[in-house]
Amino acid sequence: KNQVEQSPQSLIILEGKNCTLQCNYTVSPFSNLRWYKQDTGRGPVSLTIMTFSENTKSNGRYTATLDADTKQSSLHITASQLSDSASYICVVEVMSGAGSYQLTFGKGTKLSVIP
Amino acid sequence: SQTIHQWPATLVQPVGSPLSLECTVEGTSNPNLYWYRQAAGRGLQLLFYSVGIGQISSEVPQNLSASRPQDRQFILSSKKLLLSDSGFYLCAWHTWRGNTIYFGEGSWLTVV
Repeated sequence: KNQVEQSPQSLIILEGKNCTLQCNYTVSPFSNLRWYKQDTGRGPVSLTIMTFSENTKSNGRYTATLDADTKQSSLHITASQLSDSASYICVVEVMSGAGSYQLTFGKGTKLSVIP
Repeated sequence: SQTIHQWPATLVQPVGSPLSLECTVEGTSNPNLYWYRQAAGRGLQLLFYSVGIGQISSEVPQNLSASRPQDRQFILSSKKLLLSDSGFYLCAWHTWRGNTIYFGEGSWLTVV
């Protein structure tokens, strides 16, 4: 069964500090790996997307890495801000023959940034 | 620009009542459309996806159904709600040309 496991489940950090969120997956092969940010009660918003051949992708203070050999991805947040408090979701995407994408979602890491 | 609208944003429904959540997409044509549910403390679960008008695929057996009467309209329905149907429902879309999956703002459903 294809799975996406994220760790830690929750994380509390001080404002200004860096943090790294982990994503391990068993989905193989896959087309893309995405990281989303979801504020409470809102829809997820895309942060990064990487194809299976990419190793790193940055979006401002967010940097995602991908190691296809170990099937691991990480999301590094630099100089955290209070507004970074949210759930971060790792999504592995496989293109199906039916003309759509099959998405496997992790359960997310809940990040709380405190002053 | 492409946008996605989802409504209602919140609703409280009694057990056994019907449900209709609607999602519409603007600014694109022939999108792939998805309905997800996110229960409290759990990840997103794919309920239905559609690659075209009238084409619906269900991922999990359940008390819900979906319909796509128009190219950019996706509806999630139930004839009789169960308590276990409570959750946060998200509509999403993307196209073959795009590399981003866009989510709606979500609908909070509480079945009482």
